[in-house]
Amino acid sequence: QKEVEQDPGPLSVPEGAIVSLNCTYSNSAFQYFMWYRQYSRKGPELLMYTYSSGNKEDGRFTAQVDKSSKYISLFIRDSQPSDSATYLCAMNSGGSNYKLTFGKGTLLTVNP
Amino acid sequence: GAVVSQHPSRVICKSGTSVKIECRSLDFQATTMFWYRQFPKQSLMLMATSNEGSKATYEQGVEKDKFLINHASLTLSTLTVTSAHPEDSSFYICSAPSGSVTDTQYFGPGTRLTVL
Repeated sequence: QKEVEQDPGPLSVPEGAIVSLNCTYSNSAFQYFMWYRQYSRKGPELLMYTYSSGNKEDGRFTAQVDKSSKYISLFIRDSQPSDSATYLCAMNSGGSNYKLTFGKGTLLTVNP
Repeated sequence: GAVVSQHPSRVICKSGTSVKIECRSLDFQATTMFWYRQFPKQSLMLMATSNEGSKATYEQGVEKDKFLINHASLTLSTLTVTSAHPEDSSFYICSAPSGSVTDTQYFGPGTRLTVL
């Protein structure tokens, strides 16, 4: 079993839809959880960061962490064509100087 | 957010030559930087951890003599692909922890290497 599982998609939705992206993990030592957005041929861009169970909201984005189920989610409200990208979940056990473990990434396309 | 730059953004070289890629933290210092490799439609694969003032730590299966890493200062790490071959063609990305309260990592824009 891989440490982090993420459905690679692809996921295609109409503009304005609510998007739900998910990752599961097996390592209970993971304490810090991140979502990155990566446009084609670009470096990943940090979207959301959280270190506790619960919800964190930033504009149209909501990150949700359930440590008891080892499950994290990213919700995108009112999705826009500019949200079309690959979304990567990442996590580690000890903060910034510790290696990140990534999911495979989910390719999202928002159709106008 | 913190800014990490990479240079060059693209490089094409002949088989057998060496290529150096630079990773810089522009507005913060980083004692640790990470180097990743990404093949098309795949996730990032960590290659090595670059440590300022000491040797890099390589992941299992990564040839340290082929991928030379030098962390010359608190804002610069370099990755040199030695005797490059076509199978080394890939997207190379570095990251650095910002050291801020968000305690996470920021990525450079990546370098696309093509070996002919």
